[in-house]
Amino acid sequence: AQKVTQAQTEISVVEKEDVTLDCVYETRDTTYYLFWYKQPPSGELVFLIRRNSFDEQNEISGRYSWNFQKSTSSFNFTITASQVVDSAVYFCALSEAYRSGGNEKLTFGTGTRLTIIP
Amino acid sequence: DSGVTQTPKHLITATGQRVTLRCSPRSGDLSVYWYQQSLDQGLQFLIQYYNGEERAKGNILERFSAQQFPDLHSELNLSSLELGDSALYFCASSVEADTQYFGPGTRLTVL
Repeated sequence: AQKVTQAQTEISVVEKEDVTLDCVYETRDTTYYLFWYKQPPSGELVFLIRRNSFDEQNEISGRYSWNFQKSTSSFNFTITASQVVDSAVYFCALSEAYRSGGNEKLTFGTGTRLTIIP
Repeated sequence: DSGVTQTPKHLITATGQRVTLRCSPRSGDLSVYWYQQSLDQGLQFLIQYYNGEERAKGNILERFSAQQFPDLHSELNLSSLELGDSALYFCASSVEADTQYFGPGTRLTVL
């Protein structure tokens, strides 16, 4: 069975500090996808990134970066120079890679509530 | 804006009642997924439809059902509602085996 663990329930940092959100996953599949979603106070779920299990390259997008390490089954998310607008709940998620008739459901972690203090 | 629409945004009803939540996927997406977000269960997958056919089922109660219509919009029907059904219900859509984009959600309150 798939499982995603986000051990950090809540994090608070002062604006402009860097912060890393941890995500550890479990799966028996050799091919899978990992995701991060953001849920701001308004409630919607906003897609941030998708990474497939073949690609362990780290990715940077502006102030956001992601570190995927298959050896430790981790997919951590770092926000550099945090801003108040980054305050949200962040979810890590896992899905099986598609195969014919396969189940593409997302298995979510419990989320990390990030508060940026001005 | 993800391109996925959900109506209504808020729904308040009483125990024992039945409600219908509606979702329109992004243009071109054939897959629709329903998820429930509650304080005690977190974000849980309920059911997936692909081009009108049920593809996968998750932790969906027998009192709940869904369908996807020929125009690809989907409806989630919740019946015999209980207090514990109060939650945020999300619909997501995707091109096959691709990223799921979520709608704004329907907040259901059962009194």
